[in-house]
Amino acid sequence: EVQLLESGGGLVQPGGSLRLSCAASGFTFGTYAMTWVRQAPGKGLEWVSTISSRLIGTYYADSVKGRFTISRDNSKNMVYLQMSSLRAEDTAVYFCAKEHGSGYYSSWGQGTLVTVSS
Amino acid sequence: DIQMTQSPSTLSASVGDRVTITCRARQSISSWLAWYQQKPGKAPKLLIYDASSLESGVPSRFSGSGSGTEFTLTISSLQPDDFATYYCQQYKSYWTFGQGTKVEIK
Repeated sequence: EVQLLESGGGLVQPGGSLRLSCAASGFTFGTYAMTWVRQAPGKGLEWVSTISSRLIGTYYADSVKGRFTISRDNSKNMVYLQMSSLRAEDTAVYFCAKEHGSGYYSSWGQGTLVTVSS
Repeated sequence: DIQMTQSPSTLSASVGDRVTITCRARQSISSWLAWYQQKPGKAPKLLIYDASSLESGVPSRFSGSGSGTEFTLTISSLQPDDFATYYCQQYKSYWTFGQGTKVEIK
C-alpha cells in the first residue's frame, strides 16, 4: 500500500523559512516523480513544485519560483520542500503526491498545514 | 500556463440524479486530463485519468469524456458519498487545476 506522510508544517513569521518533508513507502520511490500541491484555506488546489525521479528536473509554479526548493533523497524515500521568504499568501495545507508517469497524481498524503503570520 | 475553467462552481443535486461537470482548457491538451474528488479535511482522490480512464477501485457510476479543450465528468446516479468538491487537472504542459465544483445536497 502506498503511503505518503508529510511533516514539518507550523506557524512561521513573514519572511521566515520552513522545510517540509514527505516520507514515502509502499512503492519503488526512485522511479516516480514527486510533487507538492497546496490548498489555501477555503480555496482550490494549486500545483507548487515537481521533482523528476532521477533528479533530472525540478519545476516550480511562478508564485514560488526563487523562494522554494524541492529535493529528494532516494536512499531514504524522502522528498522535501524548502520554503524561504514566506508570505501570508503561502498559508495553506501542503500535500505531497506521487505522480504517475503521465503526470496525474495517483496517491496523496494527508497534508501538513503551514501558517505564515506575525 | 494552461488555464482550466470548471462549470458550474456549485451544483445542487439529489441522490439518484445524473450530474455533469464541465472543464474547459484555454488550449488543446489532447486527453491529458484527470479528475479528483475531495471531501472536507481530506486529500484529493483520483477518479479519472487520461480524460476517460477509470482509476482502479472507483465506482463505475463515474465516467469522463472529452478531448482537446472540452471535458466532462459525469456521475450517472448520485450517491450520498458523492457530495464533495471535484477538480479537473491538466498535465499536457506543466500542471494546472480547475477552480473546483462543489456538489451539494439539494
